[in-house]
Amino acid sequence: EAGVAQSPRYKIIEKRQSVAFWCNPISGHATLYWYQQILGQGPKLLIQFQNNGVVDDSQLPKDRFSAERLKGVDSTLKIQPAKLEDSAVYLCASSAVGETQYFGPGTRLLVL
Amino acid sequence: DAKTTQPPSMDCAEGRAANLPCNHSTISGNEYVYWYRQIHSQGPQYIIHGLKNNETNEMASLIITEDRKSSTLILPHATLRDTAVYYCIVRVAGGVFGNEKLTFGTGTRLTIIP
Repeated sequence: EAGVAQSPRYKIIEKRQSVAFWCNPISGHATLYWYQQILGQGPKLLIQFQNNGVVDDSQLPKDRFSAERLKGVDSTLKIQPAKLEDSAVYLCASSAVGETQYFGPGTRLLVL
Repeated sequence: DAKTTQPPSMDCAEGRAANLPCNHSTISGNEYVYWYRQIHSQGPQYIIHGLKNNETNEMASLIITEDRKSSTLILPHATLRDTAVYYCIVRVAGGVFGNEKLTFGTGTRLTIIP
C-alpha cells in the first residue's frame, strides 16, 4: 500500500514570498491533517479536513496560511507571504475516520 | 498542551531491550495511548497503541499500568535503526469526530549504542 506522498521535499524562499506544498493521502483515507514541526519541537496541528470540509483550523494562522482539499483527496497548503518564523517541516498525515494517522515524509521549508 | 511526560533522552545498548516510560496521569477513560517515533529527517512513524490491555505487534510491546496513569514502550532487541525520537500521545478513541488530532510533546530521544 502506498504511503502519504508530499512534494516538494525541500524548499528555500525569501521572506515575503509565497510557497505551496502538496499532499496526496493514502487511498481511501477521508481525513487529512497538516502539521507544522519547528526544529526541536513535536509536530503541531495546523488544519484537519474530513473529505473536503474543514474540521479544525484553530491553530492555522489564517492571515498568511491557507489550505484546501477541493475534491476530498489531494490537499494544498499555502503560505503567503512567508515570514522567517515559518521555517519548519510541514507534515501531512491521513487516516480513516477516527483511526490511526499515517504521516508523509514532510516538506522542509527554509525562509531567508 | 501535551498530556504526557517523558524523559528527554535515553541510551540503550544494541541488542538489549529498550524500555521507554511515559506518564499520563490525567488520562480519561476514553483516551488511547499512542506511540510514534521519528527518525531523523523523516515523518513520524506509527508504532503501537492501546486502551488498557497490553499490546504487542511486530515492532514493539506496550505495557499500560492497571490505573492507566503510565505506560512503557518496549523494543525487545534494539538495533541502531531504532535511534529516533519517541513520542507518547494520548488521544480520544476513534470515531469522536473532530477530536482525532495528535498533540505531540517533545518526546524521548533514544540513542542505541553499538
